[in-house]
Amino acid sequence: EPEVTQTPSHQVTQMGQEVILRCVPISNHLYFYWYRQILGQKVEFLVSFYNNEISEKSEIFDDQFSVERPDGSNFTLKIRSTKLEDSAMYFCASSREGNSNEKLFFGSGTQLSVL
Amino acid sequence: AQSVTQLGSHVSVSEGALVLLRCNYSSSVPPYLFWYVQYPNQGLQLLLKYTTGATLVKGINGFEAEFKKSETSFHLTKPSAHMSDAAEYFCAVSEYIQGAQKLVFGQGTRLTINP
Repeated sequence: EPEVTQTPSHQVTQMGQEVILRCVPISNHLYFYWYRQILGQKVEFLVSFYNNEISEKSEIFDDQFSVERPDGSNFTLKIRSTKLEDSAMYFCASSREGNSNEKLFFGSGTQLSVL
Repeated sequence: AQSVTQLGSHVSVSEGALVLLRCNYSSSVPPYLFWYVQYPNQGLQLLLKYTTGATLVKGINGFEAEFKKSETSFHLTKPSAHMSDAAEYFCAVSEYIQGAQKLVFGQGTRLTINP
């Protein structure tokens, strides 16, 4: 089965630094997502992206966050100035359609540690 | 807003025993419900989903779940546990947003299988 690929698997950064988390969605998918899971908490929706623009974002996704599809294959999440509370596992996902019953394909995640 | 509650953050069963992972949801509209599984060092993978129609849904690896509207539940079961079932299981409800799908997850249940 095709896979969503995320790099790096682990990222350690200093507070205030910028980080970019990278994802390669499945090639014929059109909808892209970021979710995150803080240790011990629920997996939370961050943002959805379609047709080169954000279609929905959560309250968590403030001005410090941005997403981009810089070329035909990559989908990135940038955090401009990281905070301690940004430490979490970040999951990228993609789907072919944007329907409510659609299956999402998730990557294995990037564990971000902010020191 | 939709929400999901998974009863038991950690469930332990013996190999060959029944697996029962509990999920209750809250939704103001007919829900689309999902179970995802995360094996170690892998991404979340769809086990099964309920959209409409038959309330007993069969998924991969011998798992099934039954949608009970009167109980607002979507519990996951497997008649006989296998060592390879050890993983974290996430119940989710889909919230339709303009142009994309948003999953609202429960907190996850870690399933341990004892030999």
